[in-house]
Amino acid sequence: DARVTQTPRHKVTEMGQEVTMRCQPILGHNTVFWYRQTMMQGLELLAYFRNRAPLDDSGMPKDRFSAEMPDATLATLKIQPSEPRDSAVYFCASGLRQGALKTQYFGPGTRLLVL
Amino acid sequence: AQKITQTQPGMFVQEKEAVTLDCTYDTSDQSYGLFWYKQPSSGEMIFLIYQGSYDEQNATEGRYSLNFQKARKSANLVISASQLGDSAMYFCAMREGQTSYDKVIFGPGTSLSVIP
Repeated sequence: DARVTQTPRHKVTEMGQEVTMRCQPILGHNTVFWYRQTMMQGLELLAYFRNRAPLDDSGMPKDRFSAEMPDATLATLKIQPSEPRDSAVYFCASGLRQGALKTQYFGPGTRLLVL
Repeated sequence: AQKITQTQPGMFVQEKEAVTLDCTYDTSDQSYGLFWYKQPSSGEMIFLIYQGSYDEQNATEGRYSLNFQKARKSANLVISASQLGDSAMYFCAMREGQTSYDKVIFGPGTSLSVIP
């Protein structure tokens, strides 16, 4: 049963610290997304990749956030330095684009609390 | 401007009844796709159903069907024979952009409560 995995599942950190979230997409999927979910803003698209290349990261605060795919089995989202307003659930999702993307499978999310 | 509108923040339905969750969208693209996701209280996001803008038939997946009205830019989710386990948040999402892009954005969601 193929699934998107994310680590860590929960993270509590202090303001100013670096946070790294990892995602393993479903094997064979060529598109990876990072979303952030908060009560106030809902689900926001932060960045996405196709075949490991970043296609759009316009939703991401550039000064502190960065997203990479060092290889096809790993996507990372880094916040440095973290701030209390970054507290949210961060989801990774992957999909297979063949002509058009028709599905996205989400990971369980990383619940981040910045104190 | 919000691209996806879900006007019903909360809905109630009696068990075994059918329910329709509304979704309207705004795009100038000819090629796009529409998705529905379910998020139970556990927090996971579960893909339910997909409709492409060029699909002639309305999509169906088990008890879920998508009532796609292209001219009205609406993609309502119909859940037949509601079950208690259907209580969750439901999100409508749209894939838009040029065909080489797959930017998927979400609506604000509708909370569905199924009453026994």
